[in-house]
Parts: sequence; structure tokens; C-alpha cells
Amino acid sequence: GAGVSQSPRYKVAKRGQDVALRCDPISGHVSLFWYQQALGQGPEFLTYFQNEAQLDKSGLPSDRFFAERPEGSVSTLKIQRTQQEDSAVYLCASSLTGLAGELFFGEGSRLTVL
Amino acid sequence: GENVEQHPSTLSVQEGDSAVIKCTYSDSASNYFPWYKQELGKRPQLIIDIRSNVGEKKDQRIAVTLNKTAKHFSLHITETQPEDSAVYFCAPGFGNEKLTFGTGTRLTIIP
Repeated sequence: GAGVSQSPRYKVAKRGQDVALRCDPISGHVSLFWYQQALGQGPEFLTYFQNEAQLDKSGLPSDRFFAERPEGSVSTLKIQRTQQEDSAVYLCASSLTGLAGELFFGEGSRLTVL
Repeated sequence: GENVEQHPSTLSVQEGDSAVIKCTYSDSASNYFPWYKQELGKRPQLIIDIRSNVGEKKDQRIAVTLNKTAKHFSLHITETQPEDSAVYFCAPGFGNEKLTFGTGTRLTIIP
């Protein structure tokens, strides 16, 4: 596709529900990233994939957060037993390589936990 | 981990004047220094980046300068225009694998 696509754009969940957020990166991009952006803050790193390998998951806040990219393309971020502090915009980004260079961000998935 | 600070947190300048935003970081291993622009409700977009083997880079009205010894880099915007109004983030890192974004600078251009 022309850019990074994320779905859903908006998600409202009741506390305790599980949610799944999808990211379609730019075709051919090797690296894929997930960031969390709270209101009024900068994006915070969650996890990074190179193809299907998850090379860094040090930013995941707890074991309720899980990300996968099984075929090296589409990625899913899953949050189990959501809590109010999980409310944020979840940004996916892709880049051609991981050495340096532009991260192309999607529009984000805004999660609100009630 | 990397500690990143941006100054100022808000900045208002008259249209046509220059704006400068400074970013300090703590990790001496950082070798990649990008600036991202985020308009309200939109995605962050790269506006300029620099690598550690270069001291300055310019792209039309935008420039970035790097002082690796002092561990800071700055964004310079000249001849500011209303469309420059946005939040700007610095995001130093080692490669682009794990960028640490600053808290942002809200730039307002006054017509």
C-alpha cells in the first residue's frame, strides 16, 4: 500500500476486555515498530521487529502486552485484561532497514478503556 | 536507558522569524538524531535527520546541528510560516531501532 495502515482507528474497551490492534506496514519494509503515545506526550517505544523476528520488546509495559509479526509483514499488538492506564494512541511505524532512516508512521489506533 | 530533554516546551514566534529547539540526550552510544513534526491529531513525520559523523545538515528552511561532545542537537527553522505550527519531537537513538522521543515542543507561528 501507499503508507502504513492501522486498524481500528478508534477502539473503546471496558476494563478487563482484550483488544487486538492491527498494523499493515509499507510493502517491502523490513523493520516494524510499535509506539505508545499518551495525551500530550511523545511516543514511547514498545517493541521492534526485523522481518518476523521480535528483536526488542523491552518497552512493553507488562506481560499483558503481546506483539507478533508471524509472516514478516502484518503485525498485531494484543493487550489482555485492559486497564484504564492503557488508554493511549498506539502508533505503528515501518522502515526499510533498522540501521537508520525514516520511520513511516501510521495514523494510530486510539484506545480508550472505560 | 536514554534520557532526553527538549527545550523550550512551548515557543511562539512571529511569522518570518526564526525558531530554535534544543534537545539534550544522555546515551553517548546514540548515533542517529532525527526530528519529527506532529500536527494536531496526525501522525509524526520526519522532517530532518543527522548522523553522528556530520555536524550540520540543511534542507531549505530547516537545519539540524549536532554537538556530540556536549550531547545535544538543535532544530533551526528560518523564515517561519503558519504551516510550521505543530509539535516537534527530537528522537535520538542507536540506528533507528529504538528511538527515544522527547516530550515535545509546541511551536506556534503568529501571523
